[in-house]
Amino acid sequence: GAVVSQHPSRVICKSGTSVKIECRSLDFQATTMFWYRQFPKQSLMLMATSNEGSKATYEQGVEKDKFLINHASLTLSTLTVTSAHPEDSSFYICSANELASQETQYFGPGTRLLVL
Amino acid sequence: QQQVKQSPQSLIVQKGGIPIINCAYENTAFDYFPWYQQFPGKGPALLIAIRPDVSEKKEGRFTISFNKSAKQFSLHIMDSQPGDSATYFCAASKNSGYALNFGKGTSLLVTP
Repeated sequence: GAVVSQHPSRVICKSGTSVKIECRSLDFQATTMFWYRQFPKQSLMLMATSNEGSKATYEQGVEKDKFLINHASLTLSTLTVTSAHPEDSSFYICSANELASQETQYFGPGTRLLVL
Repeated sequence: QQQVKQSPQSLIVQKGGIPIINCAYENTAFDYFPWYQQFPGKGPALLIAIRPDVSEKKEGRFTISFNKSAKQFSLHIMDSQPGDSATYFCAASKNSGYALNFGKGTSLLVTP
């Protein structure tokens, strides 16, 4: 099956710093990628929809200036958490739809962010 | 607002048992209903998905039952194994290419 990778798998940073998370579709092209956030023992909550070559669409309540999303190519989307604070500590997961079939949404392995 | 309601929150069955997880939705525009399995610290993995034009779909030990009139769908795991112990999420979207609305998840424990 199609593979989506994320990097880094986990990151620890100090409060106030910025962190970039990469999401790559390894063996397929994706016009659309999604970013989710998951708190411990909770469900996945959609943060934003990232479309290649255009601005991301953010869900209500998600600060677009804090969570910067760039989808520069058909295989790469990045999420930058700017001026991170402890409340931003969470599990961030991306997913991607294969351009050709649009049938299945493949998820990455997630990135664990801990802000001290 | 939770667009997909999932129950139970947790479930314990013995090896060989058939756990059943139920989900309900309100938005009749939804037409794609996948189930995902997630292990701790990992991303969700697609198990099986169904569209409203069929009432049942089976893949290996996993079966989805779909009731369009009741706006409900469920996952059955046949001959469950301890390795099936994980969190299971149902989801729904307007199309397979759209963002998914997830249920709250069911933590399944299969005892030896």
